[in-house]
Amino acid sequence: GAGVSQTPSNKVTEKGKYVELRCDPISGHTALYWYRQSLGQGPEFLIYFQGTGAADDSGLPNDRFFAVRPEGSVSTLKIQRTERGDSAVYLCASSPNGGSYGYTFGSGTRLTVV
Amino acid sequence: GENVEQHPSTLSVQEGDSAVIKCTYSDSASNYFPWYKQELGKGPQLIIDIRSNVGEKKDQRIAVTLNKTAKHFSLHITETQPEDSAVYFCAASGGSEKLVFGKGTKLTVNP
Repeated sequence: GAGVSQTPSNKVTEKGKYVELRCDPISGHTALYWYRQSLGQGPEFLIYFQGTGAADDSGLPNDRFFAVRPEGSVSTLKIQRTERGDSAVYLCASSPNGGSYGYTFGSGTRLTVV
Repeated sequence: GENVEQHPSTLSVQEGDSAVIKCTYSDSASNYFPWYKQELGKGPQLIIDIRSNVGEKKDQRIAVTLNKTAKHFSLHITETQPEDSAVYFCAASGGSEKLVFGKGTKLTVNP
């Protein structure tokens, strides 16, 4: 596609529920990243995929967070037992080959846990 | 780990004036410093970047300078226009895949 696509754009869920956030990277980009942006803050790294494998998941805050990229294209970020503190904008980015250069971000999914 | 400090948090200028945003980083191994512009409801957009082997880079009205010794880098926008109004983020990377971002600067350009 022309850009990084994230769905849904907004998600409201109840505390304790499970949510999935989807990212469609730019076609052909092998590197995919998830970041979380809280209100008034810069994006914070969550996880990086190179191809199908999670090469660096050091930013995932706890074991309620998990992400997959089974075919090396679309990625899904999964959050179990959501908490109000999980409320944020979740951003996905992709780049042609990785190396932190030339990120293209999507518009994000705004998650609100009530 | 890397820590990036950014200031000011807000900046208001008159159209046509210059704007300067400054960032400092802590990890001397960092070698890549991008700047992103984020408009309301959108993701960050890369506007300019610099690598540690150069001290300055310019692209039309936007320039970035890097002082490796002092571990700081700055964004300079000249002849500001109302459409430059947005939140600007600096970031640093030290060879890993992740970027560490500053907290952002909200720039307002008044017509």
